[in-house]
Amino acid sequence: DAGVTQSPTHLIKTRGQQVTLRCSPKSGHDTVSWYQQALGQGPQFIFQYYEEEERQRGNFPDRFSGHQFPNYSSELNVNALLLGDSALYLCASSLAGGNTIYFGEGSWLTVV
Amino acid sequence: AQSVTQPDIHITVSEGASLELRCNYSYGATPYLFWYVQSPGQGLQLLLKYFSGDTLVQGIKGFEAEFKRSQSSFNLRKPSVHWSDAAEYFCAVGAGTGFQKLVFGTGTRLLVSP
Repeated sequence: DAGVTQSPTHLIKTRGQQVTLRCSPKSGHDTVSWYQQALGQGPQFIFQYYEEEERQRGNFPDRFSGHQFPNYSSELNVNALLLGDSALYLCASSLAGGNTIYFGEGSWLTVV
Repeated sequence: AQSVTQPDIHITVSEGASLELRCNYSYGATPYLFWYVQSPGQGLQLLLKYFSGDTLVQGIKGFEAEFKRSQSSFNLRKPSVHWSDAAEYFCAVGAGTGFQKLVFGTGTRLLVSP
């Protein structure tokens, strides 16, 4: 049983560019959340998707957007990249009514 | 607003010694509480969780945590630390819809000395 998988694992982008990160949830899970973890910090909640809709959102600008597909996989898009967007982006999956949240290994984004 | 405080940034423990990592939370109702561990360059692994019932929760890798409502605490403990336990530990409280918006503390880095 595969856990939460994310791609790519590492990428480098230039300031002002756009990036798309991808996530496949754990088998059987229908809810996907995204977190940003800056170096030396705890993860910060970006948003959560359920039934292909954004269910709840953290305190992030609308440069951060997402999508969930019918197979429950998800994408995180970040536009107009800033140097401060450099971080580890973590995907988490769960069941909508569940109480266990599993994380993937993350995607390291470096903005130069 | 919900928040989590982990007062210790770094802790060094000798291998074989006991461990206690502190976590204090701020939440208006009965909290959903979690402890995660993160090895360098890796994602987060769930150690244990508390929702209700017995206030002493057992987790994986020999870890346990005790929920104390009067102290707003959820401290993580292990009776005997192994070198492989060296990692970053995060406490989190579940908030928002379905308590699935995790609010994390800033983490405690555990160093294990021989």
